[in-house]
Amino acid sequence: DTAVSQTPKYLVTQMGNDKSIKCEQNLGHDTMYWYKQDSKKFLKIMFSYNNKELIINETVPNRFSPKSPDKAHLNLHINSLELGDSAVYFCASSLWTGVNEQYFGPGTRLTVT
Amino acid sequence: QKEVEQDPGPLSVPEGAIVSLNCTYSNSAFQYFMWYRQYSRKGPELLMYTYSSGNKEDGRFTAQVDKSSKYISLFIRDSQPSDSATYLCAIHNTNAGKSTFGDGTTLTVKP
Repeated sequence: DTAVSQTPKYLVTQMGNDKSIKCEQNLGHDTMYWYKQDSKKFLKIMFSYNNKELIINETVPNRFSPKSPDKAHLNLHINSLELGDSAVYFCASSLWTGVNEQYFGPGTRLTVT
Repeated sequence: QKEVEQDPGPLSVPEGAIVSLNCTYSNSAFQYFMWYRQYSRKGPELLMYTYSSGNKEDGRFTAQVDKSSKYISLFIRDSQPSDSATYLCAIHNTNAGKSTFGDGTTLTVKP
């Protein structure tokens, strides 16, 4: 069974479009995250949710809006896509917000043309 | 200045070599130190973590932390081709509830 799953795996779209990425974890974890990894492998946190409550909201453009319908799901909606949004987006989950292992999904490779 | 700086690499070594991967950090509030391994086109996976200065061993892997110098290292003994991956250091700030990652070092172990 996949612990953290993301859909879609690949997303190719044009500038200006709106797209969503979905994430689900079946680990029973309370905390979920969205990370962005650029072409140079730099992994940066965007958001974290704990029990559906937004905990971390880094300096991310308002075009990015996370939504957590329940603690097993965390989706990411992106409006008005720009070329600079091209990256791999990783969802992750952990037991809680303290120090503990984060389990990452396989990533969604977004290409904006 | 980034909060976590990692030796950029890439690094290419022959099979059996000892590998040293290094990071420095600037924020004394960082409390826990982790190493993740990321294979190509996969998500990162945790290798090990520690919170105190000193060494922690797990098989062929040793994590070393020097809090006075704000320096962390990962050593891989008897490196194998299967160790070829990108290694990311990550430092966790419990108060902020988040981990900050280094840029990653890509390692290739040649048979």
